[in-house]
Amino acid sequence: EIVLTQSPGTLSLSPGERATLSCRASQSISSNYLAWYQQKPGQAPSLLIYSASSRVTGIPDRFSGSGSGTDFTLTISRLEPEDFAVYFCHLYGSSPTFGPGTKVDIK
Amino acid sequence: VQLVQSGAEVKKPGAALKVSCKASGYTFTSYGISWVRQAPGQGLEWMGWINAFKGNTNYAQQFQGRVTMTTDTSTSTAYMELRSLRSDDSAVYYCARDLRLVPPDSWGQGTLVTVSS
Repeated sequence: EIVLTQSPGTLSLSPGERATLSCRASQSISSNYLAWYQQKPGQAPSLLIYSASSRVTGIPDRFSGSGSGTDFTLTISRLEPEDFAVYFCHLYGSSPTFGPGTKVDIK
Repeated sequence: VQLVQSGAEVKKPGAALKVSCKASGYTFTSYGISWVRQAPGQGLEWMGWINAFKGNTNYAQQFQGRVTMTTDTSTSTAYMELRSLRSDDSAVYYCARDLRLVPPDSWGQGTLVTVSS
């Protein structure tokens, strides 16, 4: 079973700053099956990125994903007030699993 | 695309739960449905997946034997039944449209389940 870990657990930043979120897999995975979600309090998760680096239609280009093998990154180039939320990485396909999440909060 | 789930439930330990998820805005049988739960203040836990057309399922190991996922294609509704409830089954349960080769892209609003004696 592949385990996803995310770091940091919490990222405290100010609007306008750059956020770099990490997702590490316990073994090499296909980048075709790595996604990122954003979740705000009281809401369902919202898909941002799939196949490690493909942005969902309508997602601002300040969100970008990268990585391969065991290490993946979600970058938010300049934080907007609406970006403060929890972000989960997700391995999908035949044996799906989620990372524990990174909370991006306002410094 | 819209997935509308059934309302909040309170259950006693040992009871069974059945959550519904009614889909609209797309061809129900062209996709699968995944079920994901989230305990209070915790992360997301994938429970399993069902092919809405064929009805074949793939359950997470930790739920094998305790969960059953079904669909009713006549009403475009998916169901998730969880038996032998425990207090740690208290969570928000989500359904999501899932093609497996792409990640779940549309989610229901969630169903809050509380298990308490």
